[in-house]
Amino acid sequence: DAKTTQPPSMDCAEGRAANLPCNHSTISGNEYVYWYRQIHSQGPQYIIHGLKNNETNEMASLIITEDRKSSTLILPHATLRDTAVYYCIVREYNTDKLIFGTGTRLQVFP
Amino acid sequence: DVKVTQSSRYLVKRTGEKVFLECVQDMDHENMFWYRQDPGLGLRLIYFSYDVKMKEKGDIPEGYSVSREKKERFSLILESASTNQTSMYLCASASSGSLMNEQFFGPGTRLTVL
Repeated sequence: DAKTTQPPSMDCAEGRAANLPCNHSTISGNEYVYWYRQIHSQGPQYIIHGLKNNETNEMASLIITEDRKSSTLILPHATLRDTAVYYCIVREYNTDKLIFGTGTRLQVFP
Repeated sequence: DVKVTQSSRYLVKRTGEKVFLECVQDMDHENMFWYRQDPGLGLRLIYFSYDVKMKEKGDIPEGYSVSREKKERFSLILESASTNQTSMYLCASASSGSLMNEQFFGPGTRLTVL
C-alpha cells in the first residue's frame, strides 16, 4: 500500500505558486520522499526527491517538515503545461520499488 | 536524450490470447520495471528486473510473466489474457549504483481485452 496521503485535486492560477501537500506520517528514518508527475497520455516524469533537508532544482522545490511526517512540493510559477497528476512517493529503503498512490490532479487555469 | 519505448500505444486482444508487451531502453540501465495503472488505484508494480535473465515479483504478479534476455529489452507476457487485465501498462528503467536513481518511464500501452 502507498504510504502517502494527498488531496485528490487542486487548482492554481497561471503564474502563481502551486503548493502540493503530502502526508507520510509512517515514514521511516531512512526512507526518501519522491515526487513524480504524469501529464495526460504520457508516462510519469521524475521531479525531485529529498530525505530531511529542503531541496530545489530547475523544476520545483521540496519542503520537508522537521518531523518528516509531511512535505510540500512547490512549483514557483505554475504554467498551463504543469497541469498533471502529481504523485508523492515514499521510497522503500534498499529496493528500487516505487509505490504510487492516486496522486493530486493539479489544474492550472489561465 | 533518455528514451524508453514501448511497442504499442494501443492494443486490443481477445480473452485467452497470449499477449506480449515489449519495452526497450537505450540508456544501458540495469534495472527495468513493469507497472499497470488503473483509475483510483494509481500505479502498481507487476515485475522488475535487476539484470539480464533476472526477475523479481512486484505487488501484483499473478497472471503475468516477464522475460529479460537482453539488457535493453524487458517483455511483459500475459499467458492467457483476461478482461480484468484491461489497463494501461507502463515500463520504466533506472541505472543501478544508487538506489535513489530516478526511474524513466515509457509512454505506456493501453491494453483492452475483449
